[in-house]
Amino acid sequence: QSVLTQPPSVSAAPGQKVTISCSESNSNIGNNYVSWYQHLPGTAPKLLIYDNNKRPSGIPDRFSGSKSGTSATLGITGLQTGDEADYYCVRWDGSLSAVVFGGGTKLTVL
Amino acid sequence: EVQLVQSGGGLVQPGQSLRLSCAASGFSFGDYAMSWFRQAPGKGLEWVGFIRRKTYGGTAEYAASVKGRFTISRDDSKSVAYLQMSSLKTEDTAMYYCARDIAAGSTGDYWGQGTLVTVSS
Repeated sequence: QSVLTQPPSVSAAPGQKVTISCSESNSNIGNNYVSWYQHLPGTAPKLLIYDNNKRPSGIPDRFSGSKSGTSATLGITGLQTGDEADYYCVRWDGSLSAVVFGGGTKLTVL
Repeated sequence: EVQLVQSGGGLVQPGQSLRLSCAASGFSFGDYAMSWFRQAPGKGLEWVGFIRRKTYGGTAEYAASVKGRFTISRDDSKSVAYLQMSSLKTEDTAMYYCARDIAAGSTGDYWGQGTLVTVSS
């Protein structure tokens, strides 16, 4: 069972916007930076967002991150068929000295 | 150009050992932590562990599932990170990835191509 809870799947039409939530029952997510990864089967994962809302070089501003209270959110606007992938939220847990992952969300662009 | 090239995967029997390598180029290797992740067939991504850069002690942290069996090391003179896996179990079967990390083990900005480890009798 993942420490971070994500919806198993989300879907939206091309050109639309989608949000993926990442929640935690305690306040830990609020006290730590969250990263988001995109993973297409058979390829290496790609870092989309780090430190809650920062984009690495080369990541388009269609991708955004936010955090409030006990949850973080990944937003994707202007959906493209190429965005179909699994998306994971991640954070460092200082008390465990370990990285914790969400269970992943499969995005379908209809 | 930042590149991470992985090697060392393969088929091993339960209880055996295997060492994965992650050769880096295009950046100052010693200035970065290095992380390892994996994805078992049909499962989500899982963090395996990471090693800090020498200026932060060069120490490593591990997921509970591999602690005591896996060891992460680095050779800054060769720009290579290693994942030594011992007492392998069938549940360690996965695609393994290394990543350059810009934070405490959770922020891999460049990734290797992945290498498949299959543990089976």
